Amino acid sequence: GAVVSQHPSRVICKSGTSVKIECRSLDFQATTMFWYRQFPKQSLMLMATSNEGSKATYEQGVEKDKFLINHASLTLSTLTVTSAHPEDSSFYICSARESGPSDTQYFGPGTRLTVL
Amino acid sequence: AQKVTQAQTEISVVEKEDVTLDCVYETRDTTYYLFWYKQPPSGELVFLIRRNSFDEQNEISGRYSWNFQKSTSSFNFTITASQVVDSAVYFCALSEAGYSTLTFGKGTMLLVSP
Repeated sequence: GAVVSQHPSRVICKSGTSVKIECRSLDFQATTMFWYRQFPKQSLMLMATSNEGSKATYEQGVEKDKFLINHASLTLSTLTVTSAHPEDSSFYICSARESGPSDTQYFGPGTRLTVL
Repeated sequence: AQKVTQAQTEISVVEKEDVTLDCVYETRDTTYYLFWYKQPPSGELVFLIRRNSFDEQNEISGRYSWNFQKSTSSFNFTITASQVVDSAVYFCALSEAGYSTLTFGKGTMLLVSP
C-alpha cells in the first residue's frame, strides 16, 4: 500500500514554456501533499504544502506565481512551473501524507525537469 | 527549531560488511516522529521506518536495524551484511507532532562494492 505516482518522470522543455507535473496517491486519500525540489547531491528542499480544497502554503523564497500548485482532490495535486527557465531545471518530488493519525509521508518517483 | 544532522556524507564498504548510518536530531517538542528514507539512483524515496518519540524500542527488519536513543537524541540505522543493492543515499528526517512537514538531514551516500 501507500503508493504515490508522479507524471511525467522526465520532461525537457524550451525556455518560456510551462510544465505541469501530476502527483497522485494511488491507494489512499491524502489531505496533504508536499512538493520538494532536489538539486544534485543535495537534500530535499520543501517548496510548498498543498491541502485539498485550499490554497497551498509556500516556503520562504519560493515564488507562488512561478510554481502554481493545485490540490483539486484527495488523490491529486499538480505543480505547474510557469515560464520555465534553465535555472528551474531540477528534480521535483512530491509526497502525500495519509489522512489519519499516521504522519508518514510517502514519496513519488520524482520528475526530472530540464529547461533548455 | 528542529534540525537533523547526518554527519557522514559518504560511506564506502565492501559487500557483507556491517555499516551504521548516524542521525542526530534537535527538537524542543516532546512528541515527534523520526523517519529513515532510502533514495536509490532511480531517485524515488523509499520509506523505511517511522518511530514516535515515546517508543524507544529498537527495531529490526531483516538486515536493517534501528537504534533510537532519546538520551543522545540519536536514531542510528545499521545494515547488517551489506549488499550492492543497498547502495543509495539514506535520509533521516524529523517531524514534530501537529505538523506534517519533514525536516531532512543532508543524507548519507552509501556505496557498497562487490
